[in-house]
Amino acid sequence: DGGITQSPKYLFRKEGQNVTLSCEQNLNHDAMYWYRQDPGQGLRLIYYSQIVNDFQKGDIAEGYSVSREKKESFPLTVTSAQKNPTAFYLCASRVGVGETQYFGPGTRLLVL
Amino acid sequence: GENVEQHPSTLSVQEGDSAVIKCTYSDSASNYFPWYKQELGKRPQLIIDIRSNVGEKKDQRIAVTLNKTAKHFSLHITETQPEDSAVYFCAALYSGAGSYQLTFGKGTKLSVIP
Repeated sequence: DGGITQSPKYLFRKEGQNVTLSCEQNLNHDAMYWYRQDPGQGLRLIYYSQIVNDFQKGDIAEGYSVSREKKESFPLTVTSAQKNPTAFYLCASRVGVGETQYFGPGTRLLVL
Repeated sequence: GENVEQHPSTLSVQEGDSAVIKCTYSDSASNYFPWYKQELGKRPQLIIDIRSNVGEKKDQRIAVTLNKTAKHFSLHITETQPEDSAVYFCAALYSGAGSYQLTFGKGTKLSVIP
């Protein structure tokens, strides 16, 4: 788990503003994931990427965008189209042939 | 897609008693079932997992059982301790077409009363 970092720990967004959450891993994992966690809810998949320059929508992709230009980095942008962005955002990664996902420490996004 | 139901949503036990959390899944093609423990404000941590070719797996005080026919799996914690207090999530992995997507249950908040 220590090999996955997320920044910042807390992020504040103003109305109409796009914000970007960082996720970096030094585990040489091929696949990376973004989840959203709301109180009393499980983790819901936003986007995932199995290889560089490729990514797929998850269950709740609307209002979010991602890029995967480098194997170790998978940033998530919360756009102004996401009307209820307040949540805990978790990034995870997985080695290519394994099933286990390991999580970063999370970013808590709050709306001003 | 896959759907995972988890029960109960909250569970209180006395220290030293056992705790059982149950999950059901919908897609019979799911073949990997991890359990994560999440302490308040922290990241989920994998505590145990089981693959579809195994019926039971144990690691010290925790065990997981899987019934493929009934499509349900359970987490068992024996001799509970206050540090076991956390939210526990089950998940099911569907790896068809190489997608490797995990679907999570909504979590069980376990409180161990000293």
